[in-house]
Amino acid sequence: DQQVKQNSPSLSVQEGRISILNCDYTNSMFDYFLWYKKYPAEGPTFLISISSIKDKNEDGRFTVFLNKSAKHLSLHIVPSQPGDSAVYFCAARYSNSGYALNFGKGTSLLVTP
Amino acid sequence: EPEVTQTPSHQVTQMGQEVILRCVPISNHLYFYWYRQILGQKVEFLVSFYNNEISEKSEIFDDQFSVERPDGSNFTLKIRSTKLEDSAMYFCASSVRDRRTYGYTFGSGTRLTVV
Repeated sequence: DQQVKQNSPSLSVQEGRISILNCDYTNSMFDYFLWYKKYPAEGPTFLISISSIKDKNEDGRFTVFLNKSAKHLSLHIVPSQPGDSAVYFCAARYSNSGYALNFGKGTSLLVTP
Repeated sequence: EPEVTQTPSHQVTQMGQEVILRCVPISNHLYFYWYRQILGQKVEFLVSFYNNEISEKSEIFDDQFSVERPDGSNFTLKIRSTKLEDSAMYFCASSVRDRRTYGYTFGSGTRLTVV
């Protein structure tokens, strides 16, 4: 039961350009969304989150956009840097669901010099 | 920066054997979690633990699984009789409080291979 979907398994972007990672969800009860970054041989690292009462949250080079009507969120990285090369996971939860996060399968981002 | 530490980094075990995966959460954290990722699949929630008891568990976390906080620092996941399909990367995570609106801190994971 894939409630959080990341349909692009991989993405390649040139250094300095914008990286856009997409995520779709099916459960309309989700009200918090998070992005995690994962390097090989490391655990996922929290990057940025957004509440469903907002449509945008920005933190430095990272911005997350939420379109509730389309059940879609995206992570923008600008400018992209080679150190951003990693797997990015989208995750979601809803307030009354307990503690579990629902993850997507991840998108592998490669930023080339 | 404080870390969640997991040992071992890689564990190979025979089918049917018991295995214990160990985690040392961040010292002032109160909520603890186990997730797993089967190769090529999504990261899946297994269980959350607070105040010395399970707060929530998923369908995956059946009677073969148990968690324990035997002392003030370790948090363990035991699989009683491993199956081939238990092969996965197991991630421990912790948070200082109920981080429902924020991310929590993950360890680097233990790769479990059941042969």
